[in-house]
Amino acid sequence: QTVVTQEPSLTVSPGGTVTLTCASSTGAVTSGYYPNWFQQKPGQAPRALIYSTSNKHSWTPARFSGSLLGGKAALTLSGVQPEDEAEYYCLLYYGGAQLVFGGGTKLTVL
Amino acid sequence: EVQLVESGGGLVQPGRSLRLSCAASGFTFDDYAMHWVRQAPGKGLEWVSGISWNSGSIGYADSVKGRFTISRDNAKNSLYLQMNSLRAEDTALYYCAKGALRHYDMEGGMDVWGQGTTVTVSS
Repeated sequence: QTVVTQEPSLTVSPGGTVTLTCASSTGAVTSGYYPNWFQQKPGQAPRALIYSTSNKHSWTPARFSGSLLGGKAALTLSGVQPEDEAEYYCLLYYGGAQLVFGGGTKLTVL
Repeated sequence: EVQLVESGGGLVQPGRSLRLSCAASGFTFDDYAMHWVRQAPGKGLEWVSGISWNSGSIGYADSVKGRFTISRDNAKNSLYLQMNSLRAEDTALYYCAKGALRHYDMEGGMDVWGQGTTVTVSS
């Protein structure tokens, strides 16, 4: 049973910087896992932010960036805005047509 | 504008079947993989199943393997999920999502999501 682990919750001040991470129970996350990141606000469908580790969609604000950090996928928010308060999910590809979401990180902007 | 509209959800008894549909528009449907993702009440996202752009690659989460079947009709720009032997733990909001990368299999993840259709399994 593959498990993808994210921080359950993080708090950041407006204007600050925060990094969310995504780890795999199988070992280090590499670009071959094609990490994706999604944002979900209460009552809304998820919105895609990052694909293939670090690529932004056309609608992704510039303050969001994706990377690999210490064997994990990472999502960094720089210059956090109050509207960034949300749940964030990562998604990893395991080959053999298998995808697994992380448990999500609840980001509080306070 | 890319749009995905799910339908077919509802209340169903344990052990029964249900078929979900997703109508796609605003993009070349047969160029992209498609996915079903669910979210149980108050819980996180769970990838359920995906199908590549040409149906050559299909995958399922272990929790639904052998019970659910994904399919697509590129002529109708539609995605389907046949759900058999439903269980209480299948109760969730089911989202249809478009693959992020053209002519890729499932590794591209997803970009655009529908609003979901609710499935409730209860006697």
